[in-house]
Amino acid sequence: GQQVMQIPQYQHVQEGEDFTTYCNSSTTLSNIQWYKQRPGGHPVFLIQLVKSGEVKKQKRLTFQFGEAKKNSSLHITATQTTDVGTYFCAGVPGSARQLTFGSGTQLTVLP
Amino acid sequence: DGGITQSPKYLFRKEGQNVTLSCEQNLNHDAMYWYRQDPGQGLRLIYYSQIVNDFQKGDIAEGYSVSREKKESFPLTVTSAQKNPTAFYLCASNRGNQPQHFGDGTRLSIL
Repeated sequence: GQQVMQIPQYQHVQEGEDFTTYCNSSTTLSNIQWYKQRPGGHPVFLIQLVKSGEVKKQKRLTFQFGEAKKNSSLHITATQTTDVGTYFCAGVPGSARQLTFGSGTQLTVLP
Repeated sequence: DGGITQSPKYLFRKEGQNVTLSCEQNLNHDAMYWYRQDPGQGLRLIYYSQIVNDFQKGDIAEGYSVSREKKESFPLTVTSAQKNPTAFYLCASNRGNQPQHFGDGTRLSIL
């Protein structure tokens, strides 16, 4: 089936370092959503991007939607231990009718 | 998440047994979803329902069944036909194209 690919699968960073996760689809996405899941918790919605080339910021988090609406990224500046968790992108690719989640990037922040 | 209640939090299944996971929401959302999460594989859609008395298969519906007799309730039955049921099950709901709200999840294990 149609997939939304996400890399890397795991990322370990030292506290204070930056972090980026990338999301790619082979088909155009109508929009892209990002969720964060803390260890042992459930996914929590962070943001939605709709427009081609859109960039949104939430404090130290920067979200981008590609010009072709096929890729997206989440960048965290100066990571903190509170950033630990798995970050998922999700979109509706091509002719799919429902949201498809990426496999997630598990972020570990070492103090 | 406030408004979506999943129960139980932990569930154990014996071989050949059917078990039912509960999901209730008081957000007045029309659509409800069931996802399965395995380590490193993100969220996979089992079933979804966009309106009462109607539901659709997701990507991995085999071995599962659902019902949607009331707007606020969307129970998932894991049947004995599901040979590898051990996973974290998440229920979600939303309205239209709005982001999904998730419950706290149910962890199912095999005895």
